[in-house]
Amino acid sequence: AQSVTQLGSHVSVSEGALVLLRCNYSSSVPPYLFWYVQYPNQGLQLLLKYTSAATLVKGINGFEAEFKKSETSFHLTKPSAHMSDAAEYFCAVSDRAENQGGKLIFGQGTELSVKP
Amino acid sequence: DTAVSQTPKYLVTQMGNDKSIKCEQNLGHDTMYWYKQDSKKFLKIMFSYNNKELIINETVPNRFSPKSPDKAHLNLHINSLELGDSAVYFCASRHQGVKRSPLHFGNGTRLTVT
Repeated sequence: AQSVTQLGSHVSVSEGALVLLRCNYSSSVPPYLFWYVQYPNQGLQLLLKYTSAATLVKGINGFEAEFKKSETSFHLTKPSAHMSDAAEYFCAVSDRAENQGGKLIFGQGTELSVKP
Repeated sequence: DTAVSQTPKYLVTQMGNDKSIKCEQNLGHDTMYWYKQDSKKFLKIMFSYNNKELIINETVPNRFSPKSPDKAHLNLHINSLELGDSAVYFCASRHQGVKRSPLHFGNGTRLTVT
């Protein structure tokens, strides 16, 4: 069985500060890991994904995440927050690739607020 | 266990059939959603109900009809299924208002139309 835990349902940072959104996973097989972002009144969109290649994954809008097997973590970071980054972020895990019928298990989401 | 639960997990059916997907949440949330995940993994909102009232109805074919018998349930009925309806459908819930909570997702229903 797989599961995802996002630590902190709300995170607030100042504009220009480091963004760190935490995600820990549990998986009995090598995981595929994803971060999604949902802007207000929009659907979720894929930010980045880890599929057993490089452990440091770069995504859109300056975000990146590092897969750490020893810590079972896949934390999302961005060096400098922008006001436009305010959104909800979801971490997700799957036991296989999407084109192999992988089904995503989502974390409960972290709402990021960015203060001027 | 407190959760958002969807049934069935997998649904394989032929074109032209009518099918339903059920969703139940026991989190005490007042708002429920249906999302469709397309082939590019984009989760697009389809419907949202708040206290049994429809509040979001995106551009979705009339063949899709949500039904909310009570605050804890939001079912999705699809008539005359088409090949393009094949996707993963996610139910979600949250509490709106002053004590707004994060979205809680179900594990999805993979619909395959043949």
